[in-house]
Amino acid sequence: QSALTQPASVSGSPGQSISISCTGTSSDIGAYNYAAWYQQHPGKAPKVMIYEVSNRPSGVSNRFSGSKSGNTASLTISGLQAEDEADYYCSSYTTSTSWVFGGGTKLTVL
Amino acid sequence: EVQLVESGGGLVQPGGSLRLSCVASGFSFSSYWMHWVRQAPGKGLVWVSLIKNEGITTNYADSVKGRFTISRDNAKNTVYLQMNGLRAEDTAMYYCAKTSAGVFGIWGQGTMVTVSS
Repeated sequence: QSALTQPASVSGSPGQSISISCTGTSSDIGAYNYAAWYQQHPGKAPKVMIYEVSNRPSGVSNRFSGSKSGNTASLTISGLQAEDEADYYCSSYTTSTSWVFGGGTKLTVL
Repeated sequence: EVQLVESGGGLVQPGGSLRLSCVASGFSFSSYWMHWVRQAPGKGLVWVSLIKNEGITTNYADSVKGRFTISRDNAKNTVYLQMNGLRAEDTAMYYCAKTSAGVFGIWGQGTMVTVSS
């Protein structure tokens, strides 16, 4: 049950695009198309931004997109805005009928 | 409105017990798997436990296996987490969450558990 691997921090200027990677194994990200991404602002509960690798829930901006290659999922945010500054977590269902999260990535909008 | 409301957190001494509750509303509770996810202060999200909709099948993170027990009462739209043998490293905000299609789509606001003497 090792955590998925994410970069600790990323940054970008308003209007730019950034990507956050999430590396797992063949027992989690590589096994299913159940990678998801969550945004968490300080003191708030997480909010799902991407599910099933690349699907956006209703109400989430189309500036957020997801993809997967092998055991690595990625979140891309285009047209960065100040309100995108937050912590981002990936997650995946696993072959052990459990879930695993990434360690989190702090996004700073410069 | 779809909502999850946790309660039961607080300050407890090492070795002590607490029972967390999470009341669901706005959706068909008995149809969904329910989970507890925790977040230590300043740290990341960690999956803790799940219970399937039928209320029988459960699973736990290795770090809590044998100490925590998840249960649910579909008649009361409530999921519980009984925590025994608490340790300092169990100090965290505990979130209740619902999954569908492999994603934690609905989260509660969390209840804080502090283990300290």
